[in-house]
Amino acid sequence: QKEVEQDPGPLSVPEGAIVSLNCTYSNSAFQYFMWYRQYSRKGPELLMYTYSSGNKEDGRFTAQVDKSSKYISLFIRDSQPSDSATYLCAMGYSGGGADGLTFGKGTHLIIQP
Amino acid sequence: DAGVIQSPRHEVTEMGQEVTLRCKPISGHDYLFWYRQTMMRGLELLIYFNNNVPIDDSGMPEDRFSAKMPNASFSTLKIQPSEPRDSAVYFCASSYTGEQYFGPGTRLTVT
Repeated sequence: QKEVEQDPGPLSVPEGAIVSLNCTYSNSAFQYFMWYRQYSRKGPELLMYTYSSGNKEDGRFTAQVDKSSKYISLFIRDSQPSDSATYLCAMGYSGGGADGLTFGKGTHLIIQP
Repeated sequence: DAGVIQSPRHEVTEMGQEVTLRCKPISGHDYLFWYRQTMMRGLELLIYFNNNVPIDDSGMPEDRFSAKMPNASFSTLKIQPSEPRDSAVYFCASSYTGEQYFGPGTRLTVT
């Protein structure tokens, strides 16, 4: 079993729809969670950073963490064609500090105009 | 801030040659990470530094790989000798508070 599981997609939705992206993980030692967006042939871009269970909102993006279920989600409201990209979840061990991240393999999202 | 800077952006080399990838982290960041991305394995951590000191190199695949950070503004990842299976995109990232910011990557092709 991989430490972080993420459906590779592709996930295709019409413009304006609410998108739900998910990851599950097996290691309860993970303490903080991130979502990155990666456009084709570009570096990952940090979207959301969360440390505790619950929800965190930033504009059209909401990150949700459920540590008891080892499950994290990213919701995108009012999706736009420019949101078409690969979304990577990432997790780390060190509370408040920095260590190497463990990534999901990414979900390829397509927003249809 | 210019963000994390990597060079070269593309590298094509022949099997057996030495390859050196370079990274300049964001000024003021005290952590630097090297990752490798392939279709098969996704993004994987190779090594990371804190205040120029290597902390964890358990992700470095073989002795052919080495990394250095001679100062807070510069790091290198060297592959010697290179092999076709080293073909991948290599990313450098830096961090101060735990949020990691990635560079544009170096796309390495070994023929």
